[in-house]
Amino acid sequence: DQQVKQNSPSLSVQEGRISILNCDYTNSMFDYFLWYKKYPAEGPTFLISISSIKDKNEDGRFTVFLNKSAKHLSLHIVPSQPGDSAVYFCAAHTGNQFYFGTGTSLTVIP
Amino acid sequence: DAGITQSPRHKVTETGTPVTLRCHQTENHRYMYWYRQDPGHGLRLIHYSYGVKDTDKGEVSDGYSVSRSKTEDFLLTLESATSSQTSVYFCATRSGSGANVLTFGAGSRLTVL
Repeated sequence: DQQVKQNSPSLSVQEGRISILNCDYTNSMFDYFLWYKKYPAEGPTFLISISSIKDKNEDGRFTVFLNKSAKHLSLHIVPSQPGDSAVYFCAAHTGNQFYFGTGTSLTVIP
Repeated sequence: DAGITQSPRHKVTETGTPVTLRCHQTENHRYMYWYRQDPGHGLRLIHYSYGVKDTDKGEVSDGYSVSRSKTEDFLLTLESATSSQTSVYFCATRSGSGANVLTFGAGSRLTVL
């Protein structure tokens, strides 16, 4: 019973275009959502987050959107760069625990 | 990265042997976590600690135990390793209950033959 789901295992995008990564969740008690980026043989690194009381948070090329009624989260990367190629995990927080999705592998094609 | 060091970084062991993974942090963070990463499953929480000697189970705690005798160290023990515990293990920390971001270590790759 995965509480956080990323239904697209992979995504390929041309350099300069928009990358949209999606995430769905089931637990209405989640109060904070995060995106992490992971390169091979490294630990995940924090990218951007959003509180459940907001619907959008922007940081440079990265924007996270939250649709609470649909229990849906998305990460937009504009413009996409080859260095963005990595695995992206969405995560959700409640209490002392953080639940992660299965990840989406993004490839940005030069 | 909150000065998180995981050891060993790589280990190969045999079924039935005990294994201990160590996570050491230098930031005096209160909370520490152990996750495992597996293809198709993402990151799953094994155990976490909310203070010295205070620990709790996560989603996949069976077959694992933890100990935290000092703020800076969080140990993950596999009492009798099985092949299903072959995985990459990540330690993470966060500074307090009001901090909603986890900072991860570089990971420990464990292979159980």
